[in-house]
Amino acid sequence: AQSVTQLGSHVSVSEGALVLLRCNYSSSVPPYLFWYVQYPNQGLQLLLKYTTGATLVKGINGFEAEFKKSETSFHLTKPSAHMSDAAEYFCAVSGADKLIFGTGTRLQVFP
Amino acid sequence: GAGVSQSPSNKVTEKGKDVELRCDPISGHTALYWYRQSLGQGLEFLIYFQGNSAPDKSGLPSDRFSAERTGGSVSTLTIQRTQQEDSAVYLCASSPGSRTGANVLTFGAGSRLTVL
Repeated sequence: AQSVTQLGSHVSVSEGALVLLRCNYSSSVPPYLFWYVQYPNQGLQLLLKYTTGATLVKGINGFEAEFKKSETSFHLTKPSAHMSDAAEYFCAVSGADKLIFGTGTRLQVFP
Repeated sequence: GAGVSQSPSNKVTEKGKDVELRCDPISGHTALYWYRQSLGQGLEFLIYFQGNSAPDKSGLPSDRFSAERTGGSVSTLTIQRTQQEDSAVYLCASSPGSRTGANVLTFGAGSRLTVL
């Protein structure tokens, strides 16, 4: 069975600082991995996805994530945080017929 | 439509009442999903439709919960005899493919249910 674990339910950074949101997965088959973002009172939007091929995946708004099979990780990073990045971020792995989500990480950005 | 549309956006109901939540997926998307989002619980899978059939309804929490999809389009999630623990945001998503795999789910804005 597939699952994901997001380390840290809350992360706070200063504007301009590095953003690092951690995600570890468990999967019995080669995984498809996703990061979604949810802004207040909105639905989820896709940030980026890993299917096959290049292990460093670039997404929208300057975010990227690296698939590391040896570490079963898919951490999300952004070199320089903006105030507009404040949101909740969800890591997900594909199951047979659905996406399985982590519990989310709320990112706060301070001026 | 251009996106996934859900209604109502907010619903306040009394314990014991029945509620219906509606989802209108992106035109042409064959797969439709319902998730529940509660504080601190992340997104909990409820049910998946492929066309009008539901091959995976493993996430429905009790027999008070049911869902249907008609015409391969609109879906309705029904909660009977609501309880306070049913309070949550119910999210609907659709995707074009027959199996999730690399298909991207497009989410609606959700229906926030509050049971008093």
